[in-house]
Amino acid sequence: GDSVTQMEGPVTLSEEAFLTINCTYTATGYPSLFWYVQYPGEGLQLLLKATKADDKGSNKGFEATYRKETTSFHLEKGSVQVSDSAVYFCALRYYNTDKLIFGTGTRLQVFP
Amino acid sequence: EAQVTQNPRYLITVTGKKLTVTCSQNMNHEYMSWYRQDPGLGLRQIYYSMNVEVTDKGDVPEGYKVSRKEKRNFPLILESPSPNQTSLYFCASSSFGGGRGDTQYFGPGTRLTVL
Repeated sequence: GDSVTQMEGPVTLSEEAFLTINCTYTATGYPSLFWYVQYPGEGLQLLLKATKADDKGSNKGFEATYRKETTSFHLEKGSVQVSDSAVYFCALRYYNTDKLIFGTGTRLQVFP
Repeated sequence: EAQVTQNPRYLITVTGKKLTVTCSQNMNHEYMSWYRQDPGLGLRQIYYSMNVEVTDKGDVPEGYKVSRKEKRNFPLILESPSPNQTSLYFCASSSFGGGRGDTQYFGPGTRLTVL
């Protein structure tokens, strides 16, 4: 079945370091891809999205490119801040259904 | 302000005592859904609804019920809770069929502990 695989966490970085969180997916069709972020004690917020191959989603300095050839949607940020500490979820969704299939989440911890 | 609200935010209960977690959205969304979040498993869909009086099972529906009598509300019912239903629960909503990039909005979560 369809699935999303994320790198295990926690990812621990110093402020201003470069961030990559890997995400790969398995899908029979052509889903839309999303990154959601969950700050401590809060619900999920959409961080960015891409709806077709080669699309790049971006928001708040984060970027991810929909790579159909490698079935990947890796999240990157050039310079992380302490305020970026959160759990990040990669997810996919098909056009004809609103169901989201999530990865297991990756916790990011950024230290000053 | 567009939002999804859930109540209660925290609940501790005992095995077998029926409970309801409410969910409400103010965006006139057709689609609503319940997820549970467990460590190492991410979020898994419990039930979803595509419109009033239209509901269907997600990936982990056992032990749960839902109803959709009004467009804005989508309560989650645990008729006889068990300890394996201890989890963090999220309600979500979106405009169904709104396009490939349509956003799902999530509530703040309900942390349930069943003793």
